Amino acid sequence: DQQVKQNSPSLSVQEGRISILNCDYTNSMFDYFLWYKKYPAEGPTFLISISSIKDKNEDGRFTVFLNKSAKHLSLHIVPSQPGDSAVYFCAASVGNAGNMLTFGGGTRLMVKP
Amino acid sequence: GAGVSQSPRYKVAKRGQDVALRCDPISGHVSLFWYQQALGQGPEFLTYFQNEAQLDKSGLPSDRFFAERPEGSVSTLKIQRTQQEDSAVYLCASGEAEQFFGPGTRLTVL
Repeated sequence: DQQVKQNSPSLSVQEGRISILNCDYTNSMFDYFLWYKKYPAEGPTFLISISSIKDKNEDGRFTVFLNKSAKHLSLHIVPSQPGDSAVYFCAASVGNAGNMLTFGGGTRLMVKP
Repeated sequence: GAGVSQSPRYKVAKRGQDVALRCDPISGHVSLFWYQQALGQGPEFLTYFQNEAQLDKSGLPSDRFFAERPEGSVSTLKIQRTQQEDSAVYLCASGEAEQFFGPGTRLTVL
């Protein structure tokens, strides 16, 4: 039973446009959410996180939105750049210190020049 | 180095062999995690250490899997009598709120 789901395996976007990656979760105990980016043959790299006490967190071109009632979060990348092409994983945890992460299956983003 | 390092990066084992995978976390990080990532899937939790104490090993798939962190820094994940289904990338991470991942060890069991 997958507690974190990314229903779109892939997404293709034109350079300069907005990329929106979605993630749904089922465990209402999750209260901390993270997005990671992964290039081939490398480990996941932390991008941005959000606590359940917030509904939005922004860091440069990256914004994460959290809708607790819908158990849904999304990552917006504006403007998208070719270097953003990678696999993006959302992850969730109960608590935000020293707690295991539960990951979604990933979405492959391709940004076309 | 500044990041998490893992060795070896690639390991090929014959079915039935024992393997040992090493993780060097970021210096000073108390928490250390091991994850297993199968092809085309997200990482799945294996085990968690706080300093040298293994506080959670609920994700270890069988008793062939064993992890240790005897001095609270370097950690080793050992897999005994490897099976084909053990083929995966094994990721180590350290950190608290944000976990920082190493590059992983890709294990292939023939």
